[in-house]
Amino acid sequence: DTAVSQTPKYLVTQMGNDKSIKCEQNLGHDTMYWYKQDSKKFLKIMFSYNNKELIINETVPNRFSPKSPDKAHLNLHINSLELGDSAVYFCASSQGADRARKLFFGSGTQLSVL
Amino acid sequence: ILNVEQSPQSLHVQEGDSTNFTCSFPSSNFYALHWYRWETAKSPEALFVMTLNGDEKKKGRISATLNTKEGYSYLYIKGSQPEDSATYLCALPNQGGKLIFGQGTELSVKP
Repeated sequence: DTAVSQTPKYLVTQMGNDKSIKCEQNLGHDTMYWYKQDSKKFLKIMFSYNNKELIINETVPNRFSPKSPDKAHLNLHINSLELGDSAVYFCASSQGADRARKLFFGSGTQLSVL
Repeated sequence: ILNVEQSPQSLHVQEGDSTNFTCSFPSSNFYALHWYRWETAKSPEALFVMTLNGDEKKKGRISATLNTKEGYSYLYIKGSQPEDSATYLCALPNQGGKLIFGQGTELSVKP
């Protein structure tokens, strides 16, 4: 069983569309994250949720909106997609928000905006 | 701004070689240091989380040391194997709780 699973793995869409990426973890963790791999391959945090509450909201365009229906899910909605949104997006989870807790990552969603 | 630097950026070794690479960070306000292994087309996988100056961690042929006073951590791989080929990421949390990743060291082990 995959611990952190995100779907879809690949997402190709037109500029201006609205799309969602789903993430689910079956580890019983209470903290979930979205990371973006930028053009220089750095992993940069976008959002963090602890027990369904937003705790980190990095400087991200408000076209990006995370939604956490429960502790096991953190979905990412992106409105009015732009070319610059093309990237690989990773979901992750940890047991607690303590900074010494290791992260468990999903396998990534490669978003291509045409 | 927390700056996490890793060196070298890439490394090519022969099977059986031992190798090491470095993660450098500001020594002030240290809380924890994470090492992750990231194979191509897979997800990053945690290797170690280290919190104490002088910490040494080991997992099989991979080990890591931590010097918080001088602001560096070394990751060692003994007797590299082709399956060790991956990008090794170092990350530290900043005071706001965000995990800041270095750019990684890309290791290629040739048979």
